[in-house]
Amino acid sequence: GAGVSQTPSNKVTEKGKYVELRCDPISGHTALYWYRQSLGQGPEFLIYFQGTGAADDSGLPNDRFFAVRPEGSVSTLKIQRTERGDSAVYLCASSLTGTTSYEQYFGPGTRLTVT
Amino acid sequence: GQQVMQIPQYQHVQEGEDFTTYCNSSTTLSNIQWYKQRPGGHPVFLIQLVKSGEVKKQKRLTFQFGEAKKNSSLHITATQTTDVGTYFCAQNSGGSNYKLTFGKGTLLTVNP
Repeated sequence: GAGVSQTPSNKVTEKGKYVELRCDPISGHTALYWYRQSLGQGPEFLIYFQGTGAADDSGLPNDRFFAVRPEGSVSTLKIQRTERGDSAVYLCASSLTGTTSYEQYFGPGTRLTVT
Repeated sequence: GQQVMQIPQYQHVQEGEDFTTYCNSSTTLSNIQWYKQRPGGHPVFLIQLVKSGEVKKQKRLTFQFGEAKKNSSLHITATQTTDVGTYFCAQNSGGSNYKLTFGKGTLLTVNP
C-alpha cells in the first residue's frame, strides 16, 4: 500500500515569506506527527495529532509555526515569516494510533531552504 | 528533559566486520525504538524493545535492552554495504506513548 507522502519535496523561499508543507498519512492511521531534522541530528518532535486535534504541540518552536489536520487525514504545517534558521528537512510520520507506542512510518520529508 | 545518548557518532568498517551502536539514558525507559536512515532517505522503523533484558534478532541485526532499561544496543554481524546509514535510537518521552525523542544517531559507513 501507499506510504506517507509529503509535498513539496523541496521548497526554497525567501526570508519573511509564508510556506505550507503538506503531509498525506497512511490510510487508517489516526496519529500523525511532524518532526524537524537538521543536518547531523535526529528528528526533533514538533507536533502530534490524534484524529483532527493537535494533542501535543509542545515541540513547535514559536508562534510562527502552526499545523492543522481538519479532516483527520491530510495535515499542513504552516510557517509564517520564515527565517534562515527554519531551514531543515521537515518530516511527517503516521502511526496506527498514538495511545499505544507503535512504530512510526515516516514520509520522505520536505527540504525547506530559507534564503 | 529526557535524552538518550548514542555512541559512537561515526563508525567506519570494512565489509564483513561487525558493528555495534549503543544508546544510554540516565532515566529508566518505558521502551526503546530503533530506526535506520539511509543517506538522503527518511527514518525507517527497525524494532521496538519493551521488556527488561529483551533480546531480538532480525537476520544479522541483534537488538538488546538492558536489565535496568537504561541502555540498549544494536549489533550488526558481518556488515554489508547495504547496512550503510544512520542508526537512531528513540525513546518515548514526557510520559507519553507517542512522543519520540531521538538520539543523534550513529553514522555507519562500510568499505567494500
